[in-house]
Amino acid sequence: EAAVTQSPRSKVAVTGGKVTLSCHQTNNHDYMYWYRQDTGHGLRLIHYSYVADSTEKGDIPDGYKASRPSQENFSLILELASLSQTAVYFCASSPQGRAETLYFGSGTRLTVL
Amino acid sequence: GDSVTQTEGPVTVSESESLIINCTYSATSIAYPNLFWYVRYPGEGLQLLLKVITAGQKGSSRGFEATYNKETTSFHLQKASVQESDSAVYYCALGDRGYGNEKITFGAGTKLTIKP
Repeated sequence: EAAVTQSPRSKVAVTGGKVTLSCHQTNNHDYMYWYRQDTGHGLRLIHYSYVADSTEKGDIPDGYKASRPSQENFSLILELASLSQTAVYFCASSPQGRAETLYFGSGTRLTVL
Repeated sequence: GDSVTQTEGPVTVSESESLIINCTYSATSIAYPNLFWYVRYPGEGLQLLLKVITAGQKGSSRGFEATYNKETTSFHLQKASVQESDSAVYYCALGDRGYGNEKITFGAGTKLTIKP
């Protein structure tokens, strides 16, 4: 069974609304990540975390907040969703960070209208 | 900055033919690069295909091979004879073993379709 589970699989949101994307891992990994992918571009790092109750900014954190309430769970929050945040979002976990292998969820397709 | 450029898709290859997906990288701020190929099959998340951390070495998995070439800053993915089950999106990625740098830079992905 999948060790990194994202929910929902897809979501349609309205501009200005709040969106929460959830990620749950059973790998017992310390590191968790949120990436977004836009058509024609590579994955870009939004936020990551290496311990519960702490999050770090990635390359494109503006407009996003992250929450890591436990080792297993990592959420991405869009307080005021915008059209430019339409993308596919991937969650991943890693045992040691620092360019070790990432284990990905199957992605959430978010459409903001 | 750091970047990864790979073959622009979509790419279509006939079954049993050979395949090469090009990947070149720029690692201006990375002291100790790790190079990866990830694959995403339809409906699934990305999964590691192969990884190489030492220049000059070759990684291999599921019939795919890639050699880390520091001189040409390349990490091309090759397979001698593709199968229909290889249809997927392939991502080249660059990471940093240096302490404190969690960034992994991904290419845009190459969508591969194998014709039966």
